[in-house]
Amino acid sequence: GAVVSQHPSRVICKSGTSVKIECRSLDFQATTMFWYRQFPKKSLMLMATSNEGSKATYEQGVEKDKFLINHASLTLSTLTVTSAHPEDSSFYICSARDGSSSVEQFFGPGTRLTVL
Amino acid sequence: GQNIDQPTEMTATEGAIVQINCTYQTSGFNGLFWYQQHAGEAPTFLSYNVLDGLEEKGRFSSFLSRSKGYSYLLLKELQMKDSASYLCAVIESNYQLIWGAGTKLIIKP
Repeated sequence: GAVVSQHPSRVICKSGTSVKIECRSLDFQATTMFWYRQFPKKSLMLMATSNEGSKATYEQGVEKDKFLINHASLTLSTLTVTSAHPEDSSFYICSARDGSSSVEQFFGPGTRLTVL
Repeated sequence: GQNIDQPTEMTATEGAIVQINCTYQTSGFNGLFWYQQHAGEAPTFLSYNVLDGLEEKGRFSSFLSRSKGYSYLLLKELQMKDSASYLCAVIESNYQLIWGAGTKLIIKP
């Protein structure tokens, strides 16, 4: 099956720093990638949808300048949390959709971000 | 508007059967997913239904009724490792996934 990786799996940073999270599709070309965040005991919340080569579409309430998304190739999307604050601490999960199979999303293992 | 409802928590006994229900109201429908998510991990795919009826896959089965906006996930011969959250998600017409809040399933010996 399709595999999506995320790096890093866990990161701890100081308040005010920026953190970059990578999402890669390993064995397929991901025309669309999605970024989610999840708070403890809550469901997934879609942050943005990114299509390769174009600007990401952000969900209402998600700050574009705070959460920078780049989808430069068909196998890589990055999420940069800029000037991170403790309230940004969360579980961030990416998923990718294979262009030839337009329905299922394949999930990365997630990144646990802790901002001190 | 968009809405997906599923119970917050359920408890079942090892070896038994449990049914987790999901009702939905969405803008268009391109199918319904069930995912399993263990604490601290990403969701893993369990099933996908787009037509009415029952899809069986080993110990897990998923049912869909589009006219009723209803689905259920049936887990048989429960094992302790089945303790997890089960997420119902609907794909809308624009292929966006709408997620339910998840059902935490607790398995007791």
